[in-house]
Amino acid sequence: GQNIDQPTEMTATEGAIVQINCTYQTSGFNGLFWYQQHAGEAPTFLSYNVLDGLEEKGRFSSFLSRSKGYSYLLLKELQMKDSASYLCAVRDLGSNYQLIWGAGTKLIIKP
Amino acid sequence: GAGVSQSPSNKVTEKGKDVELRCDPISGHTALYWYRQRLGQGLEFLIYFQGNSAPDKSGLPSDRFSAERTGESVSTLTIQRTQQEDSAVYLCASLGGGFFGPGTRLTVL
Repeated sequence: GQNIDQPTEMTATEGAIVQINCTYQTSGFNGLFWYQQHAGEAPTFLSYNVLDGLEEKGRFSSFLSRSKGYSYLLLKELQMKDSASYLCAVRDLGSNYQLIWGAGTKLIIKP
Repeated sequence: GAGVSQSPSNKVTEKGKDVELRCDPISGHTALYWYRQRLGQGLEFLIYFQGNSAPDKSGLPSDRFSAERTGESVSTLTIQRTQQEDSAVYLCASLGGGFFGPGTRLTVL
């Protein structure tokens, strides 16, 4: 079956680094997405990985290992505005390229 | 258009009434998704349109829910005989789910 797992909630300190993990099991794979969602707002796109390795974009980086069905989102130099939910989604070939979503990780940043 | 738009942004209705929610996707994007998100919860897939293929309706929670899309343009999500548990934000996403509209917040009294 299809399954996306990520921690429900994480807490980190302003200025620090946090890593949010995502593991997945799908019938096919055509890319993994990370989204940020602030309370009361729609999700916004952060990153897309389709090949193994690390993609860096400013303070945010995303890593993918297809053989392990594993990804992480790394946030550096945390700011209070990074407090949000972070959603992991996998595009599943076996489901006509649908996005399969994790439940999201609520990240709380403390001063 | 420059992005995905949805209307109305907020809808308050009485239990038992029908509502219609609209999504204007990004021009040329063949894939369109509808999701539902209840307060504090994750995204719940409702329906997926991909070009001229038959839509994937597997996420629609009951026969009170239906959606249409004409070609690669506007889509409407209709909820008949609304119930209080239908209260949620309904999000439309265009092209592989990469671009989300702002959502319609539906409140059923």
